[in-house]
Amino acid sequence: QQPVQSPQAVILREGEDAVINCSSSKALYSVHWYRQKHGEAPVFLMILLKGGEQKGHDKISASFNEKKQQSSLYLTASQLSYSGTYFCGTEIITGGGNKLTFGTGTQLKVEL
Amino acid sequence: DTEVTQTPKHLVMGMTNKKSLKCEQHMGHRAMYWYKQKAKKPPELMFVYSYEKLSINESVPSRFSPECPNSSLLNLHLHALQPEDSALYLCASSQEGAGGLTPYEQYFGPGTRLTVT
Repeated sequence: QQPVQSPQAVILREGEDAVINCSSSKALYSVHWYRQKHGEAPVFLMILLKGGEQKGHDKISASFNEKKQQSSLYLTASQLSYSGTYFCGTEIITGGGNKLTFGTGTQLKVEL
Repeated sequence: DTEVTQTPKHLVMGMTNKKSLKCEQHMGHRAMYWYKQKAKKPPELMFVYSYEKLSINESVPSRFSPECPNSSLLNLHLHALQPEDSALYLCASSQEGAGGLTPYEQYFGPGTRLTVT
């Protein structure tokens, strides 16, 4: 089943912060985060493994709470380049391979 | 080189046509994927190849036929498609293959935008 993201869309002024949430009904092995700009391919941001660790680079970080089956992406001091659609991806390991199921998506627009 | 290339960029085909989409990566990745993405929706997994063998088929109709000629190439053969198959088709690759316990990021190609008339 597809993970649910919230909010569906958000508009920010440059410099503002945002949080995007991802919630799954299934137990998670790992969570991926990707950003897709309009007309472009999804670009990998980060992977989080079980253990509740928080990861980040630059001003984008994320946390993973496997007990709650949730992950959150934190964007700090947003820049115009952060605009795009953010997808979480929940990964399960099957006998045939690793399956990534993308969440419903969050459209983020950063304005001046 | 961290690039996944896809050809063609755009494809228009009739419902009786046969066409193929091509994907290539030279990163030495052992897993390759086909996704379908409709406008304003997330990518949906179609097929997974691991070490050149089809490992996952997400109940995709037989009018879509994947092929992995070698570890760098992935094709998607299309035949007798329907208008509702119009979408962006994305190819991706990742370092690890089937059953690996270490999750790896997926690198996506720019996609082929397919229109079925």
